Amino acid sequence: AQSVTQLDSHVSVSEGTPVLLRCNYSSSYSPSLFWYVQHPNKGLQLLLKYTSAATLVKGINGFEAEFKKSETSFHLTKPSAHMSDAAEYFCVVSESNNDMRFGAGTRLTVKP
Amino acid sequence: DAGVIQSPRHEVTEMGQEVTLRCKPISGHDYLFWYRQTMMRGLELLIYFNNNVPIDDSGMPEDRFSAKMPNASFSTLKIQPSEPRDSAVYFCASSFFLAGGPRGNEQFFGPGTRLTVL
Repeated sequence: AQSVTQLDSHVSVSEGTPVLLRCNYSSSYSPSLFWYVQHPNKGLQLLLKYTSAATLVKGINGFEAEFKKSETSFHLTKPSAHMSDAAEYFCVVSESNNDMRFGAGTRLTVKP
Repeated sequence: DAGVIQSPRHEVTEMGQEVTLRCKPISGHDYLFWYRQTMMRGLELLIYFNNNVPIDDSGMPEDRFSAKMPNASFSTLKIQPSEPRDSAVYFCASSFFLAGGPRGNEQFFGPGTRLTVL
């Protein structure tokens, strides 16, 4: 069965500096991978997804992630953090339409 | 499209009362999921439906929880009787099966219902 590990429970960056949120996955197949963002008191919003096409995936709000099969990683990056990026981020792995495994989440804090 | 709609957005009730949460999935989606989110346990899948049929309810905590999907545009999650430990945010999500598509399609989440049981 698939699983996902988010390596940091909390990441703090200064506004204007790069963001790196790390995610490693385990899967017996070629899975789909997703990053979702959850702002306080809101639902989960899809940031980007990987579905076996290009390994570098661009998402909304300037985020991107790179699928690295050799490292079983799908880290989320952004060149320059904005205050509005402060939120909880979830990495998700899926091997079928009815089975998504969520990571524990990484809380991103952006300091002015 | 309005997205996934959930009601109520907030619910405060007393222990022992019945609670009903409602969800309207995105039109055309054939999968519907109910999740519970707490600080302690994170996001947990409770149950999911495919074409209105419950497929896997192994995540439902106990018999006090039940879910129905009488038609493609409506689902309910009921807790009877409610207990303080049921306090959480409950999310509904929907997705569609893409024939010939990738493994796993993204789920679209509603805004959630924040339940407080006193």
